[in-house]
Amino acid sequence: GDSVTQTEGPVTVSESESLIINCTYSATSIAYPNLFWYVRYPGEGLQLLLKVITAGQKGSSRGFEATYNKETTSFHLQKASVQESDSAVYYCALGAAHDSGYNKLTFGKGTVLLVSP
Amino acid sequence: DAGVTQTPRHEVAEKGQTIILKCEPVSGHNDLFWYRQTKIQGLELLSYFRSKSLMEDGGAFKDRFKAEMLNSSFSTLKIQPTEPKDSAVYLCASPGTGYAEQFFGPGTRLTVL
Repeated sequence: GDSVTQTEGPVTVSESESLIINCTYSATSIAYPNLFWYVRYPGEGLQLLLKVITAGQKGSSRGFEATYNKETTSFHLQKASVQESDSAVYYCALGAAHDSGYNKLTFGKGTVLLVSP
Repeated sequence: DAGVTQTPRHEVAEKGQTIILKCEPVSGHNDLFWYRQTKIQGLELLSYFRSKSLMEDGGAFKDRFKAEMLNSSFSTLKIQPTEPKDSAVYLCASPGTGYAEQFFGPGTRLTVL
């Protein structure tokens, strides 16, 4: 089946430092899955951070970027300068069309990011 | 538009009890997902409703888990009887435009003693 592997946390960085959270995927059900990053801030629900549905494209939001790399099956999340408010749990996810007519999401286990002041 | 809402936010149950979790999807959406989230297994799909009809019932969860979508504005997830291993966060989600992404509710944290 489909699977997503991401950096095992917690990841600790200082404010204004750069960040990369690795994500690689294995899509057995579809050649070109949709790729997503979701985030859960403390006390809040899971929310979409960014998505890319076309291989080779880059998605960006709130200073975060991720590029859909079909050759390396990767979708790493990067930010040039993190802020304390970026402390959260980040989930990489793969979306693939399912027989039942929905886009089935397969999530990684999540990466806890702690940004120190 | 209101997002996805879930109640209660926290639930504590004794082993063997029946609990019902509630979800209100994004207004006007007839499709809905239920997930379970644990640290070990991550997010697991429990159920998927398309136009209020159950399309996916999560295989391994069939025994004690039953999801229903009685109308386009309300869904329930019943766990009967509860077991300690059911302790988890239960999430429901509505599909986004184009059905690529999903929008999640805040979740219900269930603790079974």
